[in-house]
Amino acid sequence: GQNIDQPTEMTATEGAIVQINCTYQTSGFNGLFWYQQHAGEAPTFLSYNVLDGLEEKGRFSSFLSRSKGYSYLLLKELQMKDSASYLCAVRDSNYQLIWGAGTKLIIKP
Amino acid sequence: GAVVSQHPSWVICKSGTSVKIECRSLDFQATTMFWYRQFPKQSLMLMATSNEGSKATYEQGVEKDKFLINHASLTLSTLTVTSAHPEDSSFYICSASRSLAGSDTQYFGPGTRLTVL
Repeated sequence: GQNIDQPTEMTATEGAIVQINCTYQTSGFNGLFWYQQHAGEAPTFLSYNVLDGLEEKGRFSSFLSRSKGYSYLLLKELQMKDSASYLCAVRDSNYQLIWGAGTKLIIKP
Repeated sequence: GAVVSQHPSWVICKSGTSVKIECRSLDFQATTMFWYRQFPKQSLMLMATSNEGSKATYEQGVEKDKFLINHASLTLSTLTVTSAHPEDSSFYICSASRSLAGSDTQYFGPGTRLTVL
Protein backbone atom coordinates (compact mmCIF):
# COMPACT_ATOMS: atom_id res chain seq x y z
CA GLY A 1 0.00 0.00 0.00
CA GLN A 2 0.90 3.64 -0.19
CA ASN A 3 1.97 5.42 2.94
CA ILE A 4 3.11 8.85 4.05
CA ASP A 5 4.51 9.25 7.57
CA GLN A 6 5.08 12.48 9.41
CA PRO A 7 5.06 13.31 13.12
CA THR A 8 1.68 14.14 14.58
CA GLU A 9 2.76 17.17 16.55
CA MET A 10 5.86 19.27 17.17
CA THR A 11 6.56 22.21 19.46
CA ALA A 12 9.14 24.93 18.87
CA THR A 13 10.06 28.34 20.20
CA GLU A 14 9.55 31.65 18.44
CA GLY A 15 12.71 32.67 16.59
CA ALA A 16 14.09 29.13 16.50
CA ILE A 17 14.42 26.59 13.67
CA VAL A 18 12.30 23.46 13.24
CA GLN A 19 12.55 20.53 10.83
CA ILE A 20 9.47 18.50 9.95
CA ASN A 21 10.24 15.11 8.44
CA CYS A 22 8.22 13.11 5.96
CA THR A 23 8.89 9.58 4.76
CA TYR A 24 6.95 7.96 1.98
CA GLN A 25 6.31 4.66 0.26
CA THR A 26 4.33 5.08 -2.91
CA SER A 27 3.81 3.36 -6.23
CA GLY A 28 5.95 5.62 -8.34
CA PHE A 29 7.02 9.18 -7.66
CA ASN A 30 6.21 12.34 -9.54
CA GLY A 31 7.02 14.98 -6.99
CA LEU A 32 6.53 15.88 -3.35
CA PHE A 33 4.57 18.84 -2.04
CA TRP A 34 4.44 20.66 1.26
CA TYR A 35 1.32 22.57 2.20
CA GLN A 36 0.51 24.73 5.20
CA GLN A 37 -2.96 24.55 6.71
CA HIS A 38 -4.18 26.86 9.47
CA ALA A 39 -7.01 25.57 11.61
CA GLY A 40 -10.35 25.85 9.83
CA GLU A 41 -8.76 26.92 6.57
CA ALA A 42 -7.78 25.21 3.33
CA PRO A 43 -4.17 24.24 2.60
CA THR A 44 -1.84 26.70 0.92
CA PHE A 45 1.04 25.62 -1.29
CA LEU A 46 4.53 25.97 0.20
CA SER A 47 6.96 23.99 -1.91
CA TYR A 48 7.48 21.35 -4.56
CA ASN A 49 10.44 18.96 -4.94
CA VAL A 50 10.89 16.51 -7.77
CA LEU A 51 14.70 16.26 -7.87
CA ASP A 52 17.01 15.46 -4.97
CA GLY A 53 18.32 18.37 -2.99
CA LEU A 54 17.30 21.48 -1.17
CA GLU A 55 14.84 24.08 -2.40
CA GLU A 56 14.99 27.36 -0.49
CA LYS A 57 12.20 29.89 -0.43
CA GLY A 58 12.66 32.63 2.13
CA ARG A 59 12.32 31.29 5.67
CA PHE A 60 11.13 27.92 4.36
CA SER A 61 13.27 25.23 2.73
CA SER A 62 12.36 21.75 1.56
CA PHE A 63 14.70 18.83 1.01
CA LEU A 64 14.19 15.61 -0.93
CA SER A 65 16.03 12.30 -1.14
CA ARG A 66 14.24 10.00 -3.56
CA SER A 67 16.51 7.03 -2.84
CA LYS A 68 15.58 7.23 0.85
CA GLY A 69 11.91 8.13 0.32
CA TYR A 70 12.48 11.10 2.59
CA SER A 71 11.79 14.79 2.70
CA TYR A 72 11.91 17.51 5.29
CA LEU A 73 10.52 21.01 5.60
CA LEU A 74 12.79 23.44 7.43
CA LEU A 75 11.32 26.57 8.96
CA LYS A 76 13.70 29.26 10.17
CA GLU A 77 13.16 32.32 12.37
CA LEU A 78 9.88 30.93 13.56
CA GLN A 79 7.01 33.34 14.03
CA MET A 80 3.79 32.83 15.97
CA LYS A 81 1.85 32.87 12.68
CA ASP A 82 3.73 29.71 11.64
CA SER A 83 1.59 27.75 14.09
CA ALA A 84 -0.34 25.49 11.72
CA SER A 85 -0.47 21.98 10.33
CA TYR A 86 2.07 21.09 7.67
CA LEU A 87 0.98 18.51 5.13
CA CYS A 88 3.33 16.37 3.08
CA ALA A 89 1.88 14.96 -0.14
CA VAL A 90 3.45 12.73 -2.78
CA ARG A 91 2.28 12.42 -6.38
CA ASP A 92 2.37 8.80 -7.46
CA SER A 93 2.80 7.22 -10.89
CA ASN A 94 -0.87 7.92 -11.70
CA TYR A 95 -0.43 11.57 -10.70
CA GLN A 96 -2.64 11.00 -7.67
CA LEU A 97 -1.69 13.02 -4.61
CA ILE A 98 -1.19 10.83 -1.57
CA TRP A 99 -1.54 12.88 1.59
CA GLY A 100 0.12 12.54 4.95
CA ALA A 101 -1.97 13.15 8.05
CA GLY A 102 -0.15 16.40 8.73
CA THR A 103 2.12 17.67 11.48
CA LYS A 104 0.64 20.16 13.90
CA LEU A 105 3.32 22.73 14.73
CA ILE A 106 2.90 24.69 17.96
CA ILE A 107 5.02 27.79 18.39
CA LYS A 108 5.64 29.05 21.92
CA PRO A 109 6.83 32.56 22.78
CA GLY B 1 -1.93 34.21 -9.84
CA ALA B 2 -3.60 30.82 -9.23
CA VAL B 3 -6.50 31.93 -7.06
CA VAL B 4 -9.36 29.55 -6.37
CA SER B 5 -12.60 30.63 -4.73
CA GLN B 6 -15.40 28.61 -3.17
CA HIS B 7 -18.96 29.55 -2.41
CA PRO B 8 -20.47 29.41 0.09
CA SER B 9 -17.79 29.47 2.78
CA TRP B 10 -20.18 27.86 5.22
CA VAL B 11 -23.69 26.42 5.06
CA ILE B 12 -26.15 24.96 7.52
CA CYS B 13 -28.98 22.84 6.16
CA LYS B 14 -31.66 20.46 7.31
CA SER B 15 -31.33 16.72 6.89
CA GLY B 16 -32.70 15.57 3.54
CA THR B 17 -32.01 18.76 1.63
CA SER B 18 -29.44 19.26 -1.14
CA VAL B 19 -26.54 21.66 -1.02
CA LYS B 20 -24.51 22.98 -3.95
CA ILE B 21 -20.93 24.17 -3.54
CA GLU B 22 -19.19 26.14 -6.28
CA CYS B 23 -15.48 26.15 -7.01
CA ARG B 24 -14.01 28.74 -9.36
CA SER B 25 -10.52 29.35 -10.67
CA LEU B 26 -10.33 33.14 -10.89
CA ASP B 27 -7.20 33.83 -12.88
CA PHE B 28 -6.36 30.63 -14.72
CA GLN B 29 -8.04 27.85 -16.64
CA ALA B 30 -8.44 24.75 -14.53
CA THR B 31 -8.33 21.68 -16.73
CA THR B 32 -8.63 19.47 -13.68
CA MET B 33 -10.46 20.12 -10.44
CA PHE B 34 -10.41 18.02 -7.32
CA TRP B 35 -12.89 17.72 -4.47
CA TYR B 36 -11.72 16.81 -1.00
CA ARG B 37 -13.41 16.26 2.32
CA GLN B 38 -11.72 16.76 5.66
CA PHE B 39 -13.10 15.71 9.02
CA PRO B 40 -11.78 17.39 12.18
CA LYS B 41 -8.17 16.55 12.97
CA GLN B 42 -7.94 14.24 9.99
CA SER B 43 -6.10 14.45 6.71
CA LEU B 44 -7.57 15.46 3.39
CA MET B 45 -9.57 12.74 1.68
CA LEU B 46 -9.89 12.93 -2.09
CA MET B 47 -13.48 12.40 -3.16
CA ALA B 48 -13.30 12.85 -6.91
CA THR B 49 -11.33 14.25 -9.81
CA SER B 50 -13.03 16.06 -12.65
CA ASN B 51 -11.87 17.24 -16.05
CA GLU B 52 -13.74 19.92 -17.92
CA GLY B 53 -16.45 18.48 -20.12
CA SER B 54 -16.19 14.90 -18.91
CA LYS B 55 -17.59 12.81 -16.09
CA ALA B 56 -15.88 12.91 -12.74
CA THR B 57 -13.77 10.02 -11.49
CA TYR B 58 -14.82 9.08 -7.98
CA GLU B 59 -12.61 7.51 -5.34
CA GLN B 60 -13.54 4.15 -3.91
CA GLY B 61 -16.27 4.42 -1.33
CA VAL B 62 -17.61 7.77 -2.54
CA GLU B 63 -21.20 7.56 -3.76
CA LYS B 64 -21.45 9.25 -7.13
CA ASP B 65 -25.23 9.54 -6.87
CA LYS B 66 -24.95 11.35 -3.57
CA PHE B 67 -22.09 13.66 -4.46
CA LEU B 68 -22.84 15.06 -7.90
CA ILE B 69 -19.97 16.82 -9.60
CA ASN B 70 -20.25 19.01 -12.66
CA HIS B 71 -17.24 20.60 -14.36
CA ALA B 72 -19.01 22.58 -17.04
CA SER B 73 -16.28 25.06 -17.86
CA LEU B 74 -12.55 25.59 -17.41
CA THR B 75 -13.21 27.90 -14.48
CA LEU B 76 -16.14 26.32 -12.65
CA SER B 77 -16.87 23.04 -10.95
CA THR B 78 -19.79 22.32 -8.65
CA LEU B 79 -20.33 19.69 -5.97
CA THR B 80 -23.92 18.95 -4.98
CA VAL B 81 -24.49 16.97 -1.80
CA THR B 82 -27.89 15.39 -2.35
CA SER B 83 -30.20 14.38 0.50
CA ALA B 84 -27.64 15.50 3.05
CA HIS B 85 -27.46 13.78 6.43
CA PRO B 86 -25.63 14.77 9.63
CA GLU B 87 -22.76 12.39 8.80
CA ASP B 88 -22.10 14.48 5.67
CA SER B 89 -21.16 17.41 7.91
CA SER B 90 -17.56 18.15 7.04
CA PHE B 91 -15.13 20.65 5.53
CA TYR B 92 -15.27 20.39 1.73
CA ILE B 93 -12.32 21.75 -0.18
CA CYS B 94 -11.76 22.02 -3.91
CA SER B 95 -8.48 22.42 -5.70
CA ALA B 96 -7.63 23.22 -9.29
CA SER B 97 -4.79 22.38 -11.60
CA ARG B 98 -3.91 23.80 -14.99
CA SER B 99 -3.02 20.42 -16.44
CA LEU B 100 -4.74 17.15 -17.16
CA ALA B 101 -4.34 14.47 -14.50
CA GLY B 102 -3.16 17.13 -12.08
CA SER B 103 0.47 17.01 -13.12
CA ASP B 104 0.69 20.69 -12.27
CA THR B 105 0.50 22.03 -8.72
CA GLN B 106 -2.93 21.98 -7.11
CA TYR B 107 -4.21 25.29 -5.79
CA PHE B 108 -6.84 25.10 -3.10
CA GLY B 109 -10.00 27.03 -2.53
CA PRO B 110 -10.74 28.34 0.98
CA GLY B 111 -13.12 25.48 1.75
CA THR B 112 -16.81 25.17 2.60
CA ARG B 113 -17.92 24.10 6.04
CA LEU B 114 -21.15 22.10 5.80
CA THR B 115 -23.27 21.43 8.87
CA VAL B 116 -26.30 19.20 8.44
CA LEU B 117 -28.82 19.36 11.27
